Amino acid sequence: DVKVTQSSRYLVKRTGEKVFLECVQDMDHENMFWYRQDPGLGLRLIYFSYDVKMKEKGDIPEGYSVSREKKERFSLILESASTNQTSMYLCASSPTKPSGSDTQYFGPGTRLTVL
Amino acid sequence: SQQGEEDPQALSIQEGENATMNCSYKTSINNLQWYRQNSGRGLVHLILIRSNEREKHSGRLRVTLDTSKKSSSLLITASRAADTASYFCATDGGSNYKLTFGKGTLLTVNP
Repeated sequence: DVKVTQSSRYLVKRTGEKVFLECVQDMDHENMFWYRQDPGLGLRLIYFSYDVKMKEKGDIPEGYSVSREKKERFSLILESASTNQTSMYLCASSPTKPSGSDTQYFGPGTRLTVL
Repeated sequence: SQQGEEDPQALSIQEGENATMNCSYKTSINNLQWYRQNSGRGLVHLILIRSNEREKHSGRLRVTLDTSKKSSSLLITASRAADTASYFCATDGGSNYKLTFGKGTLLTVNP
């Protein structure tokens, strides 16, 4: 079974702090994703990566950066956390298939509160 | 941009009844997927239907796809209280990587 783990289930940070959210997958997937989920807005893609050291902006990249130094690990960084970044953060991974996008496997999520 | 939109936003039924959720999308796709999310958890993949397929079954799930109408439906038969969750459709918009998720349908199955 694919396993995607996230470093924390719950996290509380203060405004202005630098925040790291870590995600690790164990299935050698090429693609990894970071989403945030807010009530009434659904899941929105922040960044994704289709290979080591490669990244692309999603729909809402402002205020975030990412790092993918190893294939299994994809980190989301909030350079200076703000209260409007309080949200549920979901990481996912998927293999690359020639027939189009494939199943994404999600981690359990990190609920981040910025005070 | 939001690709898939689920309808209804919320659905409440009794155990044993069938639940139908619909998804509409805007652009061409390679495939459409349905996911489930229990409260406060990550999403779990349920089923994937390719653009050249019209119907697919998996256990108590039945998914249909009408590419001419850009719509899909998810039917859960003989629902159980454990089916209570949010259900999301996701489309790839022709991408080999990305999915765009709808806002979801909250299904409540009352025992």
